[in-house]
Amino acid sequence: ILNVEQSPQSLHVQEGDSTNFTCSFPSSNFYALHWYRWETAKSPEALFVMTLNGDEKKKGRISATLNTKEGYSYLYIKGSQPEDSATYLCAFLSGYSTLTFGKGTMLLVSP
Amino acid sequence: SAVISQKPSRDICQRGTSLTIQCQVDSQVTMMFWYRQQPGQSLTLIATANQGSEATYESGFVIDKFPISRPNLTFSTLTVSNMSPEDSSIYLCSANSRTRANEQFFGPGTRLTVL
Repeated sequence: ILNVEQSPQSLHVQEGDSTNFTCSFPSSNFYALHWYRWETAKSPEALFVMTLNGDEKKKGRISATLNTKEGYSYLYIKGSQPEDSATYLCAFLSGYSTLTFGKGTMLLVSP
Repeated sequence: SAVISQKPSRDICQRGTSLTIQCQVDSQVTMMFWYRQQPGQSLTLIATANQGSEATYESGFVIDKFPISRPNLTFSTLTVSNMSPEDSSIYLCSANSRTRANEQFFGPGTRLTVL
């Protein structure tokens, strides 16, 4: 059974704060690491697909890093806005299985 | 990217009944999947829907409880049979793009409450 852990479970920040979350995953048989943003009643939206150790990806104010050797990825949000409020999911893809998801980090950004 | 729609978006059902959830993708996709998220839990894969043949179920999920159909490349259904309150979850349909196999897209989910 593959174990994907996300922390913190939830986070409440003020508008303008920068924040980051962690996703840890097995360091063996790595194929890809996916980050999704999931707003209530909407489809999970793909943010990043990361495949290479040391990868850094950026989309607007959101960026992510990947360390496959130690099995972790960080997601950063710079200058959080209320519209960033959502659950952020990471999912690990090994060479032998389908996506295994963490439980997510629920972010609430207050104006 | 593929756009995935699901219906119903939510339902409240009585114990012992069954509900069929429909999933439609706007473009041809290679693989379609059904996930469940129980309260406070991770998104968990129920099964891979195979076109024209029986679905491939993950450990802990069986065909009698979650029959799945996929009659063509863009449509699939999941039935939750003989429901109990433990089946209260969000059920999501997902698919891989034919052109970008490393990306997986999701429908908006069906929020099911079983009384």
